[in-house]
Amino acid sequence: NAGVTQTPKFRVLKTGQSMTLLCAQDMNHEYMYWYRQDPGMGLRLIHYSVGEGTTAKGEVPDGYNVSRLKKQNFLLGLESAAPSQTSVYFCASSYPGDTEAFFGQGTRLTVV
Amino acid sequence: KNEVEQSPQNLTAQEGEFITINCSYSVGISALHWLQQHPGGGIVSLFMLSSGKKKHGRLIATINIQEKHSSLHITASHPRDSAVYICAVSSGAQKLVFGQGTRLTINP
Repeated sequence: NAGVTQTPKFRVLKTGQSMTLLCAQDMNHEYMYWYRQDPGMGLRLIHYSVGEGTTAKGEVPDGYNVSRLKKQNFLLGLESAAPSQTSVYFCASSYPGDTEAFFGQGTRLTVV
Repeated sequence: KNEVEQSPQNLTAQEGEFITINCSYSVGISALHWLQQHPGGGIVSLFMLSSGKKKHGRLIATINIQEKHSSLHITASHPRDSAVYICAVSSGAQKLVFGQGTRLTINP
């Protein structure tokens, strides 16, 4: 049982380049989330989805787009990367309501 | 002021010591989560609680809803317990608000 899988695990981008981070979960979870983790700060919510075909903005959505075309996948896109987007990105999934959240291993992104 | 505050930010102890990490929050919540993150690793859920106390092995989590405070205790600490421990609260739609984390180092 793979749980939540993020690809890639590491990436270095040049300013202005674009990329897509993929999150896949095999637990049939309705809810999926993208967070970023920066030194000295707690994880912050970028975007989330409460079901296939739906997405919503979180706390820090600027510069990111997301899509949830299939229930098991949640994609995070950076159209024009900026150094401020250097961070570790975590995907998570859960059932609706107050339930345990399952996290991926993280993607370390560096924008130079 | 952050909605979720953890203390201490860093904690170093000797193997075998009893460890306490605290979490205070300022918003109404439906549940509180304790998470563990090993260096370079992913994040694992340890507990989710909305009242009282939960225990799993050497780990114990408590919550006082009236005081808006939770504690994570580790008994007979071991070097493999070295990690960052994160408190998070949810208040609807399961959107979590995270504390900054407590970095725990257990020396042999």
